Amino acid sequence: DAGVTQSPTHLIKTRGQHVTLRCSPISGHKSVSWYQQVLGQGPQFIFQYYEKEERGRGNFPDRFSARQFPNYSSELNVNALLLGDSALYLCASSSHRGGRDGYTFGSGTRLTVV
Amino acid sequence: GNSVTQMEGPVTLSEEAFLTINCTYTATGYPSLFWYVQYPGEGLQLLLKATKADDKGSNKGFEATYRKETTSFHLEKGSVQVSDSAVYFCALSDPLFGNEKLTFGTGTRLTIIP
Repeated sequence: DAGVTQSPTHLIKTRGQHVTLRCSPISGHKSVSWYQQVLGQGPQFIFQYYEKEERGRGNFPDRFSARQFPNYSSELNVNALLLGDSALYLCASSSHRGGRDGYTFGSGTRLTVV
Repeated sequence: GNSVTQMEGPVTLSEEAFLTINCTYTATGYPSLFWYVQYPGEGLQLLLKATKADDKGSNKGFEATYRKETTSFHLEKGSVQVSDSAVYFCALSDPLFGNEKLTFGTGTRLTIIP
């Protein structure tokens, strides 16, 4: 079975641009979460979606938004990119809403803002 | 709020040495605890987990025991291998918040020398 897949794997954008990152969860998983991992730090929670509804939001500005589609895949959108948005963006899926049993992570999208 | 504090790295050991990576946490409720591992250029992999006090998680020779009295979840391995070189993250999810998100420590980089 395929794991959590993310696209693209790498991306270079210019300050002020917009970016869309995509995630496909493990088949049957209805929960998708997004994390930002800045170099040398632990991942920081951005959003969680379950059954196509936002269930949690981290401490990120409104430039960050996300959605989940009927097939449970998800998109993370970031507007007006800043240099500080350069990071590895990780998607994680779970079969249920809660993270009690842990999440399965994808390999991430490496975003570089120049 | 919830937080995870990890032993600062980097940690360098010789092959077959004993490994301990310290992790302590602060949580409002009764969290589930996790260790994730990140190999170079990859996403996070769940290494082990424990969901209640005195539970011991184990996988691939690694162990960690959920100690509520000391709010700790230290990672141990009796004999490390070169292939264990990676970054290790301690994390928690708190049922008080519906387990929607993982809170991570800053990570400990482990290098094993042959």
